Amino acid sequence: QLQLQESGPGLVKPSETLSLTCTVSDGSISSDYYYGGWIRQSPGKGLEWIGSIHYGGTTFYNPSLKSRVTISVDTPKKYLSLKLSSVTAADTAVYYCARHFGRREGPVDYWGQGTLVTVSS
Amino acid sequence: DIQMTQSPSSLSASVGDRVTITCRASQNIDSHLSWYQQKPGQAPKLLIYTTSSLQSGVPSRFSGSGSGPDFTLTISSLRPEDFATYYCQQSYSTPPTFGQGTKVEIK
Repeated sequence: QLQLQESGPGLVKPSETLSLTCTVSDGSISSDYYYGGWIRQSPGKGLEWIGSIHYGGTTFYNPSLKSRVTISVDTPKKYLSLKLSSVTAADTAVYYCARHFGRREGPVDYWGQGTLVTVSS
Repeated sequence: DIQMTQSPSSLSASVGDRVTITCRASQNIDSHLSWYQQKPGQAPKLLIYTTSSLQSGVPSRFSGSGSGPDFTLTISSLRPEDFATYYCQQSYSTPPTFGQGTKVEIK
C-alpha cells in the first residue's frame, strides 16, 4: 500500500526557507482522483492545511500561507516538495505529507509519519 | 474559512461505553465531513468520510451521521485501542479546516 515519507531539516532559522520532501512509494498520486498535499500540526493552531497539488502540477494553497508557500510534484520520480519562506516561530510544527482523494481538499486517506520542524536561531 | 467546532473537548469513558462526539460547521458543507483518529506520536488516521462512509479496514463500531450544520461520530462500544483524540474535517471548500479535537480518555 501507499507509503509517504517526509524528509528535511528539523531546525530552520527565522526568516529562512523551510524545505521538505515527501517520497511516495508502493503506490501513486498520479491520478485525477488524487491530490498530494501538506498539512501541519502545532499545539497552538491544531491541524492546518497548507496546500495540495494535482499530479499535472496545478496547485491550491491556503490563503493564509499563499504568499510564502510553494508546492511541487515530480511524478515520475514520485516526489512531493514543500517550500515555506520567511519562517517565524509560528511555523514550528509537525509537517505531514498527505494524499487527498476525490477533491483537492478532500479526505486524507494516507499520511506520512510527520516530521517536526522547529524555527529557532 | 469555515469554522469547525467540536464538542466536547474531552471526555472520560469506560471500555464498553457508547461514545458520541459532535462537530458543527459554521457554514453549509453538504455531506463533506470526515473524521480522523490520532494517537500520540502518530499521524491522524481516516475513519469516516462523506459523513457516514466507513474507510476500508476501520471497525464497524465506528459510525458517522448528520447533516448540516451538525455531524456526529459514534463509537458503539469503546475498546481500549480507541482511547485517542478525534478530529472532524470539512472538505467542502478551500481551505479544508479541522475541528480542535476531542480527547477520549479512560475513566
